[in-house]
Amino acid sequence: QAVLTQPSSLSASPGASASLTCTLRSDINVRTYRIYWYQQPPGSPPQFLLRYKSDSDKQKGSGVPSRFSGSKDASANAGILLISGLQSEDEGDYYCLVWHNSAWVFGGGTRLTVL
Amino acid sequence: QVQLVQSGSELKKPGASVKVSCKSSGYTFTSYAMNWLRQAPGQGLEWMGWINTNTGNPTYTQGFTGRFVFSLDTSVSTAYLQISSLKAEDTAVYYCGRDSVWFGGSDVFDIWGQGTMVTVSS
Repeated sequence: QAVLTQPSSLSASPGASASLTCTLRSDINVRTYRIYWYQQPPGSPPQFLLRYKSDSDKQKGSGVPSRFSGSKDASANAGILLISGLQSEDEGDYYCLVWHNSAWVFGGGTRLTVL
Repeated sequence: QVQLVQSGSELKKPGASVKVSCKSSGYTFTSYAMNWLRQAPGQGLEWMGWINTNTGNPTYTQGFTGRFVFSLDTSVSTAYLQISSLKAEDTAVYYCGRDSVWFGGSDVFDIWGQGTMVTVSS
């Protein structure tokens, strides 16, 4: 089973909110991990969005709009990237990342479509 | 501004070698480690490993040992990725990305190169 699991795709309407999940394998506890989120627009390199471990341990990337925020759902053992007020430029692939067993591990990515 | 600029696309035959460069500017090169990442066509991101820009010591993750070599030229603030004995499955975009975690910071891949497409085909 993969360390990080992300839904392969998600669609939402402009102006709506989108909640992207990153579920950790059941034998590892989301509470102990910093989760990093990256956005990859089509044909472009990834860009750092934010990291989230707790409300006291979080950081947003330079220039990242306040519409982007991170959180966790401990009951689902998942990290969450919430994007509010969706805009067309939010379309792209989103990846989560954690440090696990001495390696950086990415989730498989979620393709977000805004339509 | 802070940026990483990579060398251009490469088309190589199987068995050949390729060397990709990643030149940094806008920050102190030795204050951040340099990582290498791979993205095969239509696929997700994989972390290949990192190189300590102070010591030049590389660390390779599983699956990227043997044919992959990370190196530096600190005089020109540039990191390199060399891949030897190229195979068709090495066809991918290769990215460099910096991080400060190894040096006591908390930035992880906050700056990326634009990517270098390496195509391996006969």
